[in-house]
Amino acid sequence: ETGVTQSPTHLIKTRGQQVTLRCSSQSGHNTVSWYQQALGQGPQFIFQYYREEENGRGNFPPRFSGLQFPNYSSELNVNALELDDSALYLCASSLGVRLSEQYFGPGTRLTVT
Amino acid sequence: GDSVTQMEGPVTLSEEAFLTINCTYTATGYPSLFWYVQYPGEGLQLLLKATKADDKGSNKGFEATYRKETTSFHLEKGSVQVSDSAVYFCALSDQRGGADGLTFGKGTHLIIQP
Repeated sequence: ETGVTQSPTHLIKTRGQQVTLRCSSQSGHNTVSWYQQALGQGPQFIFQYYREEENGRGNFPPRFSGLQFPNYSSELNVNALELDDSALYLCASSLGVRLSEQYFGPGTRLTVT
Repeated sequence: GDSVTQMEGPVTLSEEAFLTINCTYTATGYPSLFWYVQYPGEGLQLLLKATKADDKGSNKGFEATYRKETTSFHLEKGSVQVSDSAVYFCALSDQRGGADGLTFGKGTHLIIQP
């Protein structure tokens, strides 16, 4: 059974650029949630996708957007990058929208300069 | 809104010491509660959970009891090992089907010395 994978591992971008991060769900999982973890902080919920539709969203601006594909893999897109977007981005997959069994990937470390 | 408060770190203990990491929460409903652990360079791993009041979650020698009256979910372990060194996060999920995601505390860095 393959766990949650994310790519790339690390990424460096310049302020104002756009970035796409990718996540492959654990086999059989149909729900993906994305989180932003700033250095020294707990993860903050960005949004959740269930069966290719956005199912919930945290307090993040519209320049944070996502997609979920028929195979339940997912992308997080961030436009007009700001320095404060530098963080570890985590995706988590689960079966169904309830979060009692949510499995996290290793994350993508984004640095905005 | 929902929030989680956990004790500030780092917490430094000697091997075989008793561990308590405090966690309290604020939520409008009856949330599910979780402890996650993050080892250096890795993502979050679910350590244990409790879905209703008075439930006790346990795993790998760690345990935590859902206390509704004190809105707490303190993590305990009777005898820690060097390999327990990591960052521990307390989190909650409301009962709206998870559409608000998990709400995390800021994390507690645990350091176990041999």
